[in-house]
Amino acid sequence: DTEVTQTPKHLVMGMTNKKSLKCEQHMGHRAMYWYKQKAKKPPELMFVYSYEKLSINESVPSRFSPECPNSSLLNLHLHALQPEDSALYLCASSGTIHRDTQYFGPGTRLTVL
Amino acid sequence: AQKITQTQPGMFVQEKEAVTLDCTYDTSDPSYGLFWYKQPSSGEMIFLIYQGSYDQQNATEGRYSLNFQKARKSANLVISASQLGDSAMYFCAMRGIQGGSEKLVFGKGTKLTVNP
Repeated sequence: DTEVTQTPKHLVMGMTNKKSLKCEQHMGHRAMYWYKQKAKKPPELMFVYSYEKLSINESVPSRFSPECPNSSLLNLHLHALQPEDSALYLCASSGTIHRDTQYFGPGTRLTVL
Repeated sequence: AQKITQTQPGMFVQEKEAVTLDCTYDTSDPSYGLFWYKQPSSGEMIFLIYQGSYDQQNATEGRYSLNFQKARKSANLVISASQLGDSAMYFCAMRGIQGGSEKLVFGKGTKLTVNP
């Protein structure tokens, strides 16, 4: 079963709020990813976790804080976001960070007011 | 650095006909992987098909096939017998090394519309 789940599906938040996005997979994958996708653009990589350790941070602003509590879960903590952070946030997982297909979740549509 | 080029911003096809979505790539790595993903308006990125650079045969998955021409650095997606549900954005992607790390590099996408 190649399923990655994400919650919530939609999120509206103010610039002073703190919220979290959640991602879960039960495929035994050891690599998990966060992507940001603006309308009519391809996904942009934000973070990569490999064996629960942060492997790649694509110079993302500190108002985005990733967390990998265990091999099945990935969180993205949001604080003091800007309206330009409104986007679709996609989570993905793969067997490892090397040579494996990435499977994506359905995404969270975030609107920052 | 790796680069993926999709030159067709939009494509139209009649239901039940075949359609080819173009993808060219550039890399200096001898070993790489090529992927196609489908993204309906709902947002989920759905993995369709994979081709490894050393694979001798073109990949096929049901109605999807990948026309891999290594010398031309092209990896076109062929969808046979189009269905209305095939209307979506299609992204070609390549796994390769960028900035010292292995990443998935996406093209800009092609929006496919299937007409009844």
